[in-house]
Amino acid sequence: SYVLTQAPSLSVAPGQTARFACGGDNIGVNSVHWYQQKPGQAPVVVISYDSDRPSGIPERFSGSNSGSTATLTISGVEAGDEADYYCQVWDISVGHAVFGGGTKLTVL
Amino acid sequence: QVTLRESGPALVKPTQTLTLTCAFSGFSLSTSGMSVSWIRQSPGKALEWLARIDWDDDKYYNTFLKTRLTISRDTSKNQVVLTMTNMDPADTATYYCARALSNQRSPFEPWGQGTLVTVSS
Repeated sequence: SYVLTQAPSLSVAPGQTARFACGGDNIGVNSVHWYQQKPGQAPVVVISYDSDRPSGIPERFSGSNSGSTATLTISGVEAGDEADYYCQVWDISVGHAVFGGGTKLTVL
Repeated sequence: QVTLRESGPALVKPTQTLTLTCAFSGFSLSTSGMSVSWIRQSPGKALEWLARIDWDDDKYYNTFLKTRLTISRDTSKNQVVLTMTNMDPADTATYYCARALSNQRSPFEPWGQGTLVTVSS
């Protein structure tokens, strides 16, 4: 089965840039979606289709996808960005969704 | 506005069967291209996709759990039901339902609020 790999944690000072990597075999040919999940809340899409930003998501959030790594970037990190971030793709060979293990962002 | 809401028992005993209902509004599962999935999250753990049902009644299951899962729909009630047999304490989790498109490219949007299920004797 398809596997997505994410670092478990990331610490960034306010105002700095946070980059989250999501690794997968030839992930560049897939559409990657990124979710933000704050404690006690359901996940929310922050980036869809590799780099699209849904309505209401700040421009500070951006995404890219190429080769074996997809990346979510948050520029000018704020305290309110502290959350878990998950990447997700569809394994179309079997019709299953696949999530990465998630990265916990700590804002120092 | 699309909304989804999960409901079901908060507590089940080991070996019992869990039945969860996802009631949704703002779309029809009879509409071409629509799909609803169930996703769970054990405490402190990552998201885990469980099952999906599409507008044409196609169904897909997590490979490792498929012998225990059944997903169904009631289009007249705008509901999707998930049953999981032989519950174990390891199945303790928050269970979410979420909408996607059946083209197997779209994100899950939106999600329900989730329902916490604890498995304990």
